[in-house]
Amino acid sequence: GNSVTQMEGPVTLSEEAFLTINCTYTATGYPSLFWYVQYPGEGLQLLLKATKADDKGSNKGFEATYRKETTSFHLEKGSVQVSDSAVYFCALSVGGSGNTPLVFGKGTRLSVIA
Amino acid sequence: EAQVTQNPRYLITVTGKKLTVTCSQNMNHEYMSWYRQDPGLGLRQIYYSMNVEVTDKGDVPEGYKVSRKEKRNFPLILESPSPNQTSLYFCASSPGTAKGNEQFFGPGTRLTVL
Repeated sequence: GNSVTQMEGPVTLSEEAFLTINCTYTATGYPSLFWYVQYPGEGLQLLLKATKADDKGSNKGFEATYRKETTSFHLEKGSVQVSDSAVYFCALSVGGSGNTPLVFGKGTRLSVIA
Repeated sequence: EAQVTQNPRYLITVTGKKLTVTCSQNMNHEYMSWYRQDPGLGLRQIYYSMNVEVTDKGDVPEGYKVSRKEKRNFPLILESPSPNQTSLYFCASSPGTAKGNEQFFGPGTRLTVL
């Protein structure tokens, strides 16, 4: 079946530190990969996505590269801010003509301290 | 503004008392879905709908019902809630089932069943 594994949190970083959140996946076919972010008290928002191998998604200083050979989609940011504190979810979708649920990892809580 | 709305945002109820959580989207999306979010489990799909009058079970449908009489609305019905349905619920919509399609999430409904 399809599954996503992401690093357990919580992750606590100082402002301006480098962030990496690891994500690996198992999927039938060639999925699209997503990072969603959930700020406190809010719903999930799409942060970035990649739809094929070697694609790099980027947004708000975050980036992730679709690595088919390692089945990974690690999230990185060079310099985090306090406002980046949130829960981050890696997800995949295999698409098609039927049900296309997002398959989520369990989420990684990031806390950035000033 | 393009959005998915849910009501209520918070609900405390008692075992066995029927309730409905409403979901509405204004983006003319065909695909809608309900997820529940539980600590350590991430998000899991409850039910989905491919279009009006077309609904089907997701991964964890027991104890829930849905309907899709209009394209914009996709209510979640708990006929006889039980404490194990205490959770954070998200409605999501998407233009279709292509694997690269972003899903747009509502703000969430936090349900407590006593």
